[in-house]
Amino acid sequence: SAVISQKPSRDICQRGTSLTIQCQVDSQVTMMFWYRQQPGQSLTLIATANQGSEATYESGFVIDKFPISRPNLTFSTLTVSNMSPEDSSIYLCSVGENLSTDTQYFGPGTRLTVL
Amino acid sequence: KQEVTQIPAALSVPEGENLVLNCSFTDSAIYNLQWFRQDPGKGLTSLLLIQSSQREQTSGRLNASLDKSSGRSTLYIAASQPGDSATYLCVPNTDKLIFGTGTRLQVFP
Repeated sequence: SAVISQKPSRDICQRGTSLTIQCQVDSQVTMMFWYRQQPGQSLTLIATANQGSEATYESGFVIDKFPISRPNLTFSTLTVSNMSPEDSSIYLCSVGENLSTDTQYFGPGTRLTVL
Repeated sequence: KQEVTQIPAALSVPEGENLVLNCSFTDSAIYNLQWFRQDPGKGLTSLLLIQSSQREQTSGRLNASLDKSSGRSTLYIAASQPGDSATYLCVPNTDKLIFGTGTRLQVFP
């Protein structure tokens, strides 16, 4: 299993600013994933972040808005840039060594409110 | 495109009842299916993982079945407890995890 922590756990931000969310895993993992959960909605995959390569973004998400770093096998950051109230969501990171066979583990999430 | 439907959307029961949560998905070409619970203010906790070749998995009071060909999975919760109150998510995995909106369960004493 993997234990995942996220910082911050929650934040309230002003429109137009940016927030960087950190995800730390207690073991080395190849694949990390970032999800967004808008109020009352299901989780949506933002991007897949593999160490040593650029993140792969899902349709509807772009690097300029959600830049991701993956400097090593235990850490990743997601930045929400130039925020608007529509970015108010819970952001979660997830890991799983082999997506086709293994259990996927999730962090506790970061609850973001944009005013 | 994979779509996930969970029925019922919400459920409120007295403790002690045996529960059935239903899940259907449109693309049966899955690697596996995972059931999670989500608690307010917390992340997702994995409950059970069923590989595509398996029919069911059990963990304590939980039993999940999978009928891959018909695109259905069912989560059975035996002797429900107030601590089971959470949102339950059925998540089929093709090459990515696809989430529905889940079943919101409340178990009252």
